[in-house]
Amino acid sequence: AQTVTQSQPEMSVQEAETVTLSCTYDTSESDYYLFWYKQPPSRQMILVIRQEAYKQQNATENRFSVNFQKAAKSFSLKISDSQLGDAAMYFCAYRSALQGFGNEKLTFGTGTRLTIIP
Amino acid sequence: SAVISQKPSRDICQRGTSLTIQCQVDSQVTMMFWYRQQPGQSLTLIATANQGSEATYESGFVIDKFPISRPNLTFSTLTVSNMSPEDSSIYLCSVEDSTRSYEQYFGPGTRLTVT
Repeated sequence: AQTVTQSQPEMSVQEAETVTLSCTYDTSESDYYLFWYKQPPSRQMILVIRQEAYKQQNATENRFSVNFQKAAKSFSLKISDSQLGDAAMYFCAYRSALQGFGNEKLTFGTGTRLTIIP
Repeated sequence: SAVISQKPSRDICQRGTSLTIQCQVDSQVTMMFWYRQQPGQSLTLIATANQGSEATYESGFVIDKFPISRPNLTFSTLTVSNMSPEDSSIYLCSVEDSTRSYEQYFGPGTRLTVT
């Protein structure tokens, strides 16, 4: 079974600065998908960014980018030019590329609470 | 991405009663999921609901406690039966977009408090 680990329960960053959230995972599969989700106090889960394991290029979405190290099974999220609206819980998630037999589910890490300091 | 609504958004229920949560999607989807998020915790999958077939439950979750319906490709319900205070959680439904690397989109959640 796959596991996802987020070792930073809480992080804080000054507004306009850059912060990196860590995520590691364990799997025996070679093809899979990784995601970062944001959950603000409103509790709505919002997809921030995704990475396909077969792609070597790191995904980017505006101020959000990832550092995907497949051999190290590491998937960190970098937020540049942090804004007050970035304050939220951030969850890393894994999805197998296989279909059927329950492989469609997302396995989540325990989350990192990000605080933005004005 | 799909737009998902859930009803109710929150409820306070007495122990021993049941609550049915509705999940409505604005487009037809094959895979729907129900997750539980206990206070201060991460998300745990309860079950996967495919239209036209029985829901598939994760270890630790049983159909008698969490019956699920999936009558069509845009709607699903989750019932929390014979509730106890330990069932106090946020319940979220999600759908998968197989055309976008299996991204999952979530509803706004239902906050359930059992007294």
